[in-house]
Amino acid sequence: AQKVTQAQTEISVVEKEDVTLDCVYETRDTTYYLFWYKQPPSGELVFLIRRNSFDEQNEISGRYSWNFQKSTSSFNFTITASQVVDSAVYFCALSKAAGNKLTFGGGTRVLVKP
Amino acid sequence: GAVVSQHPSWVICKSGTSVKIECRSLDFQATTMFWYRQFPKQSLMLMATSNEGSKATYEQGVEKDKFLINHASLTLSTLTVTSAHPEDSSFYICSAEIAGRETQYFGPGTRLLVL
Repeated sequence: AQKVTQAQTEISVVEKEDVTLDCVYETRDTTYYLFWYKQPPSGELVFLIRRNSFDEQNEISGRYSWNFQKSTSSFNFTITASQVVDSAVYFCALSKAAGNKLTFGGGTRVLVKP
Repeated sequence: GAVVSQHPSWVICKSGTSVKIECRSLDFQATTMFWYRQFPKQSLMLMATSNEGSKATYEQGVEKDKFLINHASLTLSTLTVTSAHPEDSSFYICSAEIAGRETQYFGPGTRLLVL
């Protein structure tokens, strides 16, 4: 069975601080995909990144960066120089393969204060 | 690209009535769509996987006779909550996957309140 754990339920930071969201996953599959989604107060899930199990390269996209480490089954997400607009719930998710369901973590609520 | 719409965005209904929610992929064809439910301050839980032209696959604990799913075309899936009760009040979100991209794109969700 697959499982995703986001240990941090809520993080509060002041604008311009960096914030790192932890994600630990469990799976018996050798091929899988990891995702991060952002859910702002409006409710819509916004796709941020997908990473497959064979690609351990870290990725940076603007103020966002991701650190994938298979050895520790972690896929952490860092927001650099946070802004108020980053306030949202962030979900880490795992999928077996294309066409398969997503298993979501519990989500981490990020509150960025001005 | 990869826009998914849902209609309605929110609905209030009386207990015992049925409610239909539509999920459309606007600029791509989706052979597979997914329906999730999210209760306040909780994570998303998959209800069912909908494949075009075939019966939906329901997750354990989801009543298929209560949550009817139809995926009649490559761009439309519908979820009908039959005989809705207050405990069905929730945020329902659909997603659609583009073949070959291994990524699900989500609709804006539908908030259902059953009185």
